[in-house]
Amino acid sequence: AQSVTQPDIHITVSEGASLELRCNYSYGATPYLFWYVQSPGQGLQLLLKYFSGDTLVQGIKGFEAEFKRSQSSFNLRKPSVHWSDAAEYFCAGGGNEKLTFGTGTRLTIIP
Amino acid sequence: EAGVAQSPRYKIIEKRQSVAFWCNPISGHATLYWYQQILGQGPKLLIQFQNNGVVDDSQLPKDRFSAERLKGVDSTLKIQPAKLEDSAVYLCASSLLTASGANVLTFGAGSRLTVL
Repeated sequence: AQSVTQPDIHITVSEGASLELRCNYSYGATPYLFWYVQSPGQGLQLLLKYFSGDTLVQGIKGFEAEFKRSQSSFNLRKPSVHWSDAAEYFCAGGGNEKLTFGTGTRLTIIP
Repeated sequence: EAGVAQSPRYKIIEKRQSVAFWCNPISGHATLYWYQQILGQGPKLLIQFQNNGVVDDSQLPKDRFSAERLKGVDSTLKIQPAKLEDSAVYLCASSLLTASGANVLTFGAGSRLTVL
């Protein structure tokens, strides 16, 4: 079955530090992969997406993600986080079929 | 472009009552989705429409949930009768099929339902 796993429920990072949020997928073929961010009381906003081609994709707000087929991973990274990055982050897979979401990683930023 | 509009933003009802949520997708988006997001979980697809036809409703609890998309534009999701476990945020999304064959979803702000 197709699935997306986010192993970390909650991550705390100091402002200005680097960030990596993990995402693993289980799909037969190369999936379409997405990262969404959800601020409290808001809907989901698309950060970036991977369909094919260059395995390092750039997104909005300074985020990037790298598709690694050998590790079945699509981890989200940011070199220096800002207090405004505190939110819930969801990895999702699918695309031209049902989009399946991970359970999310809550990011807390400390001064 | 205008985003996906949803209403109401918040609704509190007693169990066994009914509730309806409305969604207006982005103009020109043929595909519309309703997701249920329970607190602490990722969104779960309830139903997917392509124009006004249902593509996937395999996870819709059809004994109490219904949805329609008349004229292939706006959509309504109804719950009758509501149960305590229906407390969640109901997210509407719409999408345009890209040249690569992928659907990129744009989400509305959601409708938060509390069932007492």
